[in-house]
Amino acid sequence: DTEVTQTPKHLVMGMTNKKSLKCEQHMGHRAMYWYKQKAKKPPELMFVYSYEKLSINESVPSRFSPECPNSSLLNLHLHALQPEDSALYLCASSQVNGGPYEQYFGPGTRLTVT
Amino acid sequence: AQSVSQHNHHVILSEAASLELGCNYSYGGTVNLFWYVQYPGQHLQLLLKYFSGDPLVKGIKGFEAEFIKSKFSFNLRKPSVQWSDTAEYFCAVNALAAGNKLTFGGGTRVLVKP
Repeated sequence: DTEVTQTPKHLVMGMTNKKSLKCEQHMGHRAMYWYKQKAKKPPELMFVYSYEKLSINESVPSRFSPECPNSSLLNLHLHALQPEDSALYLCASSQVNGGPYEQYFGPGTRLTVT
Repeated sequence: AQSVSQHNHHVILSEAASLELGCNYSYGGTVNLFWYVQYPGQHLQLLLKYFSGDPLVKGIKGFEAEFIKSKFSFNLRKPSVQWSDTAEYFCAVNALAAGNKLTFGGGTRVLVKP
């Protein structure tokens, strides 16, 4: 199984809402990632978790709050977003030790902030 | 900091034509190199990767890429494209010193006319 799943596929939220994006993988990977992809642009790294600990935060605004409750799950909690945060949010996972390794990407959650 | 540039933003060609997409990176240390493809409406998929060894790597669907260290390049090629190769192609670089961080190039949209 080389699949990364993400829910929901689409999300529309207002600027005062609180919502969460979910990501799951069952490949035994111990590194998980959040990327943001605007239309016609490449993915941009937001966060990296390694062994369930946050290892990279690319200076992401605090209205985005990641969480890695266990080795298979990754959440992104959203609060007080702005319209410019509308984008495709991608989750990825990879192995960690003894690498290098490629990252496996999920299909993404398309977020619209109104 | 590592950066990746892709020379062409858009490429239009006919079926059976040859394809070459350029990718250059700026980082002097050891790097791992990737080409990902994003078909319309689908998630990012790995085409091929280079970690070490033979600089000419072969990937899926008849694609290959050549790593030229002296030119900091990792160009993607396919001798004869098909309509189904219509997609966006991203070059990506992981510098060993940057841990798990993957930096993408701007992407090249390829349209293959039947």
